[in-house]
Amino acid sequence: DAGVIQSPRHEVTEMGQEVTLRCKPISGHDYLFWYRQTMMRGLELLIYFNNNVPIDDSGMPEDRFSAKMPNASFSTLKIQPSEPRDSAVYFCASSFPPGTGNTIYFGEGSWLTVV
Amino acid sequence: GNSVTQMEGPVTLSEEAFLTINCTYTATGYPSLFWYVQYPGEGLQLLLKATKADDKGSNKGFEATYRKETTSFHLEKGSVQVSDSAVYFCALSQGAQKLVFGQGTRLTINP
Repeated sequence: DAGVIQSPRHEVTEMGQEVTLRCKPISGHDYLFWYRQTMMRGLELLIYFNNNVPIDDSGMPEDRFSAKMPNASFSTLKIQPSEPRDSAVYFCASSFPPGTGNTIYFGEGSWLTVV
Repeated sequence: GNSVTQMEGPVTLSEEAFLTINCTYTATGYPSLFWYVQYPGEGLQLLLKATKADDKGSNKGFEATYRKETTSFHLEKGSVQVSDSAVYFCALSQGAQKLVFGQGTRLTINP
């Protein structure tokens, strides 16, 4: 299995530009999660989907952030417009239902720098 | 709501030392408990887990026992190696709820 695949791995962009991060979950997993990791705040859950439907987006910092899951094999996290404080590592993860002891599998992350 | 508290880092040890990273949780009922590890430049990966009280999870020489009476899931290893240097996250999940992570503990092992 290829695991959770994220792209791009690294992105440097200028403030005000649109950023789109992409994720392909593990085939068959029905939960997909977007996390953000920074030194200051640690690991934060931004949003998660079940069967392509957003379940909890309470962690999305503000309206500049949006996430979609048009089908079971693809999700995007978009930041528009980007700001320097958005610089972080963004992880996508997928799993079977998490509350039954199932493992959540993480991608290698998208390292975003906004200058 | 559910929460996880880990011992604060960073933790620095010499090779072959004994390791303990404390983790306690708050939850109703019987959550599943996990330790994830993040090596430099990589995503998180599952290290071990336990799904019911008194279960012991183990992997790569690491162990953790699910203690319901003390609401704890402490991570231990008898003899650490330089390659164990990483950030370790304790986490729990329950019912259909999302995974809740602790703040992470950075571990550095010196040769």
